[in-house]
Amino acid sequence: GAVVSQHPSWVICKSGTSVKIECRSLDFQATTMFWYRQFPKQSLMLMATSNEGSKATYEQGVEKDKFLINHASLTLSTLTVTSAHPEDSSFYICSAAGLAGVPSYEQYFGPGTRLTVT
Amino acid sequence: RKEVEQDPGPFNVPEGATVAFNCTYSNSASQSFFWYRQDCRKEPKLLMSVYSSGNEDGRFTAQLNRASQYISLLIRDSKLSDSATYLCVVNLASNTGKLIFGQGTTLQVKP
Repeated sequence: GAVVSQHPSWVICKSGTSVKIECRSLDFQATTMFWYRQFPKQSLMLMATSNEGSKATYEQGVEKDKFLINHASLTLSTLTVTSAHPEDSSFYICSAAGLAGVPSYEQYFGPGTRLTVT
Repeated sequence: RKEVEQDPGPFNVPEGATVAFNCTYSNSASQSFFWYRQDCRKEPKLLMSVYSSGNEDGRFTAQLNRASQYISLLIRDSKLSDSATYLCVVNLASNTGKLIFGQGTTLQVKP
């Protein structure tokens, strides 16, 4: 149980376009979803925390107008990278929390989406 | 200062070796501690939680020293399949779920 999927697994787009990444919890209702970004040889950095039905909370330094997060249901959160630029190329990973009786730091990670902006 | 610091390595060891990874964290209010494993170009996977009393899971032993704000992971009898990056992870407050990841320590086990 506790499977999280992401789509797409990889994407290449041109500079200036927008890219949407989906994160789904397949067998549980995720009250909270987290979005991380990982650059090569660096650690995962939390970008934002989203709770179903409310606005996402962004970490310091993450532009909320550039990285649009929507968490409209208990099984789906989306991250849209707007007007992507080459410096946005990274590995984007989501995680989900919310299993009954399980603390929210016990998160289930999606397989990640590798974004390359040309 | 980084919130969670690890020696990035790489650690190159022969099969069967014992290897230890260290990690320090800066926020004394940190509440929960974990070791994750991340394979190349994959998502991180929870290896084990770390408790103050120390805990063991097969060949893996984790230790926590709250006074020194120090966490360790010991791997005994290394296998080729242990080759990966090991991430030290800290949670500040359980109600937020926010995880702080270290940079990771890369282990390469050679035959």
